[in-house]
Amino acid sequence: SAVISQKPSRDICQRGTSLTIQCQVDSQVTMMFWYRQQPGQSLTLIATANQGSEATYESGFVIDKFPISRPNLTFSTLTVSNMSPEDSSIYLCSVRLYNEQFFGPGTRLTVL
Amino acid sequence: GQQVMQIPQYQHVQEGEDFTTYCNSSTTLSNIQWYKQRPGGHPVFLIQLVKSGEVKKQKRLTFQFGEAKKNSSLHITATQTTDVGTYFCAETLNFGNEKLTFGTGTRLTIIP
Repeated sequence: SAVISQKPSRDICQRGTSLTIQCQVDSQVTMMFWYRQQPGQSLTLIATANQGSEATYESGFVIDKFPISRPNLTFSTLTVSNMSPEDSSIYLCSVRLYNEQFFGPGTRLTVL
Repeated sequence: GQQVMQIPQYQHVQEGEDFTTYCNSSTTLSNIQWYKQRPGGHPVFLIQLVKSGEVKKQKRLTFQFGEAKKNSSLHITATQTTDVGTYFCAETLNFGNEKLTFGTGTRLTIIP
């Protein structure tokens, strides 16, 4: 299986500020995925982070708001920029290994 | 775009009763995956179904993929308190595509 860690596990931020979330995987993977889960809701894919190329964003998500880095095959960051209360959510990174999808523990973000 | 509907949205059952959640797609699926998310936790992969009409069992859990590959179900026999959580189905655009579209989820609560 894959072990995924995320930092921070939670944060409370002021509107207008930015937060960078880190994701570390214990295996090398080509693609890493960033999901958002709003309170009581399902998961929505934000973007796919590919090592060596720009991230691919889903409809409704843009690079200026959610810049992503992917410096190597085991690490990625997602930044939530210029935050507003609507960005309050759980952000999860995910990878696919051995035909299974693994999720990190999530970062619970509250924007005041 | 893809739409994956799940019913019911909520289910409250007495411990020992059975539980079923259904997943329906507007398009033919290449495969369907099922996840369980405990309260406060992250989604955990349960199983993947690929073949039309496929049925797989994991102890008290039975997973089924429809003949037309447009629907799937998860059935739990004799629920236990450890079954509490939200069950999500998820689909990929095509086999080998690792991007997941999650269903709306069914939240299961158990009355002891």
